[in-house]
Amino acid sequence: AAGVIQSPRHLIKEKRETATLKCYPIPRHDTVYWYQQGPGQDPQFLISFYEKMQSDKGSIPDRFSAQQFSDYHSELNMSSLELGDSALYFCASSSGLASGETQYFGPGTRLLVL
Amino acid sequence: GNSVTQMEGPVTLSEEAFLTINCTYTATGYPSLFWYVQYPGEGLQLLLKATKADDKGSNKGFEATYRKETTSFHLEKGSVQVSDSAVYFCALSLISNGVGAQKLVFGQGTRLTINP
Repeated sequence: AAGVIQSPRHLIKEKRETATLKCYPIPRHDTVYWYQQGPGQDPQFLISFYEKMQSDKGSIPDRFSAQQFSDYHSELNMSSLELGDSALYFCASSSGLASGETQYFGPGTRLLVL
Repeated sequence: GNSVTQMEGPVTLSEEAFLTINCTYTATGYPSLFWYVQYPGEGLQLLLKATKADDKGSNKGFEATYRKETTSFHLEKGSVQVSDSAVYFCALSLISNGVGAQKLVFGQGTRLTINP
């Protein structure tokens, strides 16, 4: 079965640079979520989109922005990168927003900021 | 606010031992509850879920029952295997705004190691 695809899988950037992370949801899934997982930490919700509109926002820095495109893929744009942005970034997708709907996670993008 | 508290880790067991990982939650409303597992270097995989009180989720020998009276969702397995070694996350989701977006709120994770 098709899974969530994230690219790139690994990314190394310098401080103050920008990065773009991409997420391709499971076919026919219309909802995308972004999470950030620091080393040894639990995943923290950043932002979500439903039918190409932002549906919820969590602890996402103002330096980050995201959008969902007409084909439902999503991109997380990160600017003025800081050392503390080094983390594993997960994208998850689901079908709709019904209570209890399962979120399926991608393999993550590991970002290292030097 | 909404939160999940998991049993402190790491947990180390011998193969075929009985496993319990405790999970309790605090939520405004009626959450859905999940257990996700993360193997080394991989993403999060759904292990099981329950969407209402007294529901039991089960998968691959793991079970968890949604206990509203104790606000708990403890994970159990009768006989663990070396291949069960991973980090286990308890999580809840709630409708969080008028649109209905249901972000996941995770516990801190429990690292499980099974020795042969």
